[in-house]
Amino acid sequence: GNSVTQMEGPVTLSEEAFLTINCTYTATGYPSLFWYVQYPGEGLQLLLKATKADDKGSNKGFEATYRKETTSFHLEKGSVQVSDSAVYFCALGAQDTGRRALTFGSGTRLQVQP
Amino acid sequence: GAVVSQHPSWVICKSGTSVKIECRSLDFQATTMFWYRQFPKQSLMLMATSNEGSKATYEQGVEKDKFLINHASLTLSTLTVTSAHPEDSSFYICSGTGDYGYTFGSGTRLTVV
Repeated sequence: GNSVTQMEGPVTLSEEAFLTINCTYTATGYPSLFWYVQYPGEGLQLLLKATKADDKGSNKGFEATYRKETTSFHLEKGSVQVSDSAVYFCALGAQDTGRRALTFGSGTRLQVQP
Repeated sequence: GAVVSQHPSWVICKSGTSVKIECRSLDFQATTMFWYRQFPKQSLMLMATSNEGSKATYEQGVEKDKFLINHASLTLSTLTVTSAHPEDSSFYICSGTGDYGYTFGSGTRLTVV
């Protein structure tokens, strides 16, 4: 079945540091890949997504590239801010996206210190 | 963009009582609604999938008689936790899908005392 593996947290960085959160997946077919962010006490917000190999999703300075050869979708940001502190979830959507639930990774907590 | 309004955002109830959580899709038709449960510092665990007008499909280990899901219209789905117990305390999140992909509600923090 489908699965998503994320690096364990928490990840603690100083402001303006470079961020990488690793995500690898196992899936059949051609899934869509997502990164969601969850702030304390809130639901999930879509951060970015990619629907096919070599696509790059980007939003708010965050980027992730869909690498089929390495089955990865690592999240990166060149310069983090304190406001980026949150939990980040990598997720996979099956080909019949919308009819089946997303498969989530375990989440990675990011703490950015001023 | 698409919005799913989830209410209440938090609720405290006594053991043995029932609690209803509502999710409304405000500007799209949610043909499918997913209900998740999230324990502190953990990922989302899928509880059930519901399609408008059909019975919900529950994941293994989720008691369908305890967690009643209704998806009577394309804009409203409800989760009722019946005879709640302290172990049901958790964060519940819905996610509706339609033309805009997956849209998540803001979550409901349920505390059973």
